[in-house]
Amino acid sequence: AQSVTQLGSHVSVSEGALVLLRCNYSSSVPPYLFWYVQYPNQGLQLLLKYTTGATLVKGINGFEAEFKKSETSFHLTKPSAHMSDAAEYFCAVSNTGNQFYFGTGTSLTVIP
Amino acid sequence: DVKVTQSSRYLVKRTGEKVFLECVQDMDHENMFWYRQDPGLGLRLIYFSYDVKMKEKGDIPEGYSVSREKKERFSLILESASTNQTSMYLCASNEGATGYGYTFGSGTRLTVV
Repeated sequence: AQSVTQLGSHVSVSEGALVLLRCNYSSSVPPYLFWYVQYPNQGLQLLLKYTTGATLVKGINGFEAEFKKSETSFHLTKPSAHMSDAAEYFCAVSNTGNQFYFGTGTSLTVIP
Repeated sequence: DVKVTQSSRYLVKRTGEKVFLECVQDMDHENMFWYRQDPGLGLRLIYFSYDVKMKEKGDIPEGYSVSREKKERFSLILESASTNQTSMYLCASNEGATGYGYTFGSGTRLTVV
């Protein structure tokens, strides 16, 4: 069975501060891992993904995430938060690449 | 630019009505999915389809049905809408076991009164 846990349903950071959104997964086989972002009243957009190869992956808007198999984690980071980063972020896992399982989301607030 | 298009952004329907939510993708994707999104619950899978005329139940199929008569179109049907089906509905598609992830539509916010 696959599942995703996102620690912290709400995260607040100051503008310019480090963003760290946590994601842990359970999977019986090496997974595909994804981060999506959702702006208000919109669908989800792909931020970045891990499939194979390099465990540190870079995405759009300066975000990156590191796949750590030993910790079953795929935390999302950005060195310096911008006001435009305020959104909801979802971590997702898939064993097959067909169907994905999503976490419950983390709402990011950026304080000016 | 590839797209998943959901026919309505906002819908208001009455209890007991039959509701159709339409989703069309222009990427020739094999797989299509319907999710509902509720605060604190994340995305929950309602139904999915890996091929034309094929459908599989997701985690919360009760009260819903789907139709996929053509590869590009996947319809979600609320047979008799109820207030607990008020939610954001998201359609997604992907190529299959390629690891490319989903492409999502913009969502339909349905309110049942």
